[in-house]
Amino acid sequence: ETGVTQTPRHLVMGMTNKKSLKCEQHLGHNAMYWYKQSAKKPLELMFVYSLEERVENNSVPSRFSPECPNSSHLFLHLHTLQPEDSALYLCASSQGVGTSGSGDLRGANVLTFGAGSRLTVL
Amino acid sequence: DQQVKQNSPSLSVQEGRISILNCDYTNSMFDYFLWYKKYPAEGPTFLISISSIKDKNEDGRFTVFLNKSAKHLSLHIVPSQPGDSAVYFCAMNTGNQFYFGTGTSLTVIP
Repeated sequence: ETGVTQTPRHLVMGMTNKKSLKCEQHLGHNAMYWYKQSAKKPLELMFVYSLEERVENNSVPSRFSPECPNSSHLFLHLHTLQPEDSALYLCASSQGVGTSGSGDLRGANVLTFGAGSRLTVL
Repeated sequence: DQQVKQNSPSLSVQEGRISILNCDYTNSMFDYFLWYKKYPAEGPTFLISISSIKDKNEDGRFTVFLNKSAKHLSLHIVPSQPGDSAVYFCAMNTGNQFYFGTGTSLTVIP
């Protein structure tokens, strides 16, 4: 299998449940991301892992807990979520890390996305 | 504060004509500007990018224009085809930080 694979594609959970979203990339990339897409809002960056270390955590509530056991796998553990957490959760990976500076020498840091996990919290 | 704005949520264009999608931003420190395309039930896929030191980049039917003084990015698709119907997101990045617009839904009418 190639690209970025996310499972499950759809998840319905109650507010007291504990579940996990899984992401796997087969591209040899060294950075992985979790994004949240809510209706009519821009994609919101949640977490970034570079070489299996978390480098970004954009004030995400603690009910979301990421895990990156190796450079190919990324998890998002969910517990005691709220209905407003219902959204499409997108995983992405990229080869580039760090700042590139202006110019073409290193090229754009391109994200490759998975198809997403549609989460509904009842 | 939203750093990247796509003010047109939707656009309809006749097949064969030009589609122009627009994006405005506020941060002058971005290194690269990108366009992504998203079909229903799929993740966004990378389409084309442009460096901050250029003002135009062309790839087949797709051309991206960057006007740094106006902080404006646009994507031209010509000629438009029905298969281009999708949601288009502009994105801007520096290092690992990416900022996305809300998307413009393009419909190309056969």
